[in-house]
Amino acid sequence: TQLLEQSPQFLSIQEGENLTVYCNSSSVFSSLQWYRQEPGEGPVLLVTVVTGGEVKKLKRLTFQFGDARKDSSLHITAAQPGDTGLYLCAGPYNQGGKLIFGQGTELSVKP
Amino acid sequence: GAVVSQHPSRVICKSGTSVKIECRSLDFQATTMFWYRQFPKQSLMLMATSNEGSKATYEQGVEKDKFLINHASLTLSTLTVTSAHPEDSSFYICSATRQGLYQETQYFGPGTRLLVL
Repeated sequence: TQLLEQSPQFLSIQEGENLTVYCNSSSVFSSLQWYRQEPGEGPVLLVTVVTGGEVKKLKRLTFQFGDARKDSSLHITAAQPGDTGLYLCAGPYNQGGKLIFGQGTELSVKP
Repeated sequence: GAVVSQHPSRVICKSGTSVKIECRSLDFQATTMFWYRQFPKQSLMLMATSNEGSKATYEQGVEKDKFLINHASLTLSTLTVTSAHPEDSSFYICSATRQGLYQETQYFGPGTRLLVL
């Protein structure tokens, strides 16, 4: 059972366009994290959202945590080729610090 | 920021041999480390939780005799793929948990690409 549903799974856009990636669940999460992963490397943490309704900005990236803490979104403004990569949302489940990941969104930004 | 290293970064082995992958937290002590497996174009799948000084906890469907985990110290966990087969070829990633003032954060290693011929 996939607790975190991420969409879209693949996205190919032109430089300068905007995009939004969604991470949805039927479960409540105490927090959600967003990672970016480049080919052949490990994921790198972008942000952690903790409070329902929270909005965090990281340059051209805007992260939002749903009021009910069941969903999150990542919006990229004016995408650049350097934004290309696999974007993953993740949240803690059970105990012991385990993380469950969404399916990932493969983003390709063409110049 | 916290750094986690993995060694080797890539390994090619023959079917039937065993391969050991090391995961180290370089500038902090990690009581808990995690091992993930990732297939191309897919997300990370948790394999096991590695706790220093105790036996690892494996996720459902992961063979503990196939994937041996040893967490010998607060900065080192190892994953040994025993009697490797081509279907074990994958990208293996570890993470180490660092306790901060208010929350725990997982830091991921750069991954190890395993190819079994």
